[in-house]
Amino acid sequence: KAGVTQTPRYLIKTRGQQVTLSCSPISGHRSVSWYQQTPGQGLQFLFEYFSETQRNKGNFPGRFSGRQFSNSRSEMNVSTLELGDSALYLCASSAHGLDTDTQYFGPGTRLTVL
Amino acid sequence: ELKVEQNPLFLSMQEGKNYTIYCNYSTTSDRLYWYRQDPGKSLESLFVLLSNGAVKQEGRLMASLDTKARLSTLHITAAVHDLSATYFCAVALGAGANNLFFGTGTRLTVIP
Repeated sequence: KAGVTQTPRYLIKTRGQQVTLSCSPISGHRSVSWYQQTPGQGLQFLFEYFSETQRNKGNFPGRFSGRQFSNSRSEMNVSTLELGDSALYLCASSAHGLDTDTQYFGPGTRLTVL
Repeated sequence: ELKVEQNPLFLSMQEGKNYTIYCNYSTTSDRLYWYRQDPGKSLESLFVLLSNGAVKQEGRLMASLDTKARLSTLHITAAVHDLSATYFCAVALGAGANNLFFGTGTRLTVIP
């Protein structure tokens, strides 16, 4: 079974631009979560989608948004990029989004904002 | 505000030794997860702990959860070099396992 895939793997943008990151979960998985990882703030939860609905949301500004499609693929969008948005963005999927589920993480997209 | 604290932040240990990583959290939760991250790589799930007193073991790693003390431990037995990585604990908030609040991480280096 293929793992979680994220595209692109690396991205360089300038301040003020917007960016869209993509995540394809493991086949059959319905829950997708996004996390931001930075050296200063560590790993922080962005949001979770389950069956195309946002189920949970972390404490990030409205510039960060996401969506999930009917095939469970998910995208996250960051508008009006700031230098502080430079980070590794990780996507994780699980089968049913249950407590007992194991989350499988993708390789991440490393975003650099200049 | 929820806090998840791990200690130590950095751990250097010799092969063959035992050690414990501690994870303290500040909110009521009975769901705690341990992950491993190798340099430049993504996260790998190690353990899912879902109740007070839960204990899970895999190879040289054993994790436990005490929800009353809001404490989880990751015990390493007879460390080997391959265990060198950063270890994260994460507390689940809300429904499901996908709204995780991560600890600061413990960077473990096992010296031959």
